[in-house]
Amino acid sequence: DADVTQTPRNRITKTGKRIMLECSQTKGHDRMYWYRQDPGLGLRLIYYSFDVKDINKGEISDGYSVSRQAQAKFSLSLESAIPNQTALYFCATSDHGTGGGYGYTFGSGTRLTVV
Amino acid sequence: LAKTTQPISMDSYEGQEVNITCSHNNIATNDYITWYQQFPSQGPRFIIQGYKTKVTNEVASLFIPADRKSSTLSLPRVSLSDTAVYYCLVGDSPGGYNKLIFGAGTRLAVHP
Repeated sequence: DADVTQTPRNRITKTGKRIMLECSQTKGHDRMYWYRQDPGLGLRLIYYSFDVKDINKGEISDGYSVSRQAQAKFSLSLESAIPNQTALYFCATSDHGTGGGYGYTFGSGTRLTVV
Repeated sequence: LAKTTQPISMDSYEGQEVNITCSHNNIATNDYITWYQQFPSQGPRFIIQGYKTKVTNEVASLFIPADRKSSTLSLPRVSLSDTAVYYCLVGDSPGGYNKLIFGAGTRLAVHP
């Protein structure tokens, strides 16, 4: 099994619908992140969480919300999906004992299409 | 925030050494330099991290000059499977990871 599992892998949804992307990890890491990647571009940070009680906005949090249900689970929601949220979404984890971008583990991504 | 600049794309051939340079003129004292590799439709994968001088692991080497305003990722004897996008990131010690910025990366194409 993968260390960081994202579900679903692919999703097509309609404008205005609420959708949730889920992420679970077996790394035992405290820190979890949601990133978005658009074609030909790098990753942009949406939200991140230090631990279960901690939620922080990233660069592009508008239109998104998150829930850290447990140390191992971090969900991303689009409250009312719009077409420009069509992108590849990645969940990642890292250990609290490391820094500066060391050793992030990424999931395989969720490809979301909003029509 | 320390911004990085790297070439948009590079081409190489199997068996050659590839050096990808990243510029980070505004790097701060506490910042580390980290490189990730990403294959199509996969999440990025950590390659190497360094603070100064040279770091080497089983995958790559990272060269950082004394002024730390740039760094070079060196991939020895590349193969077709090294075709990927390579990201240079600068971020500080624990607590500052949120400042990590993924730029567009360098798209490396390895040819037979």
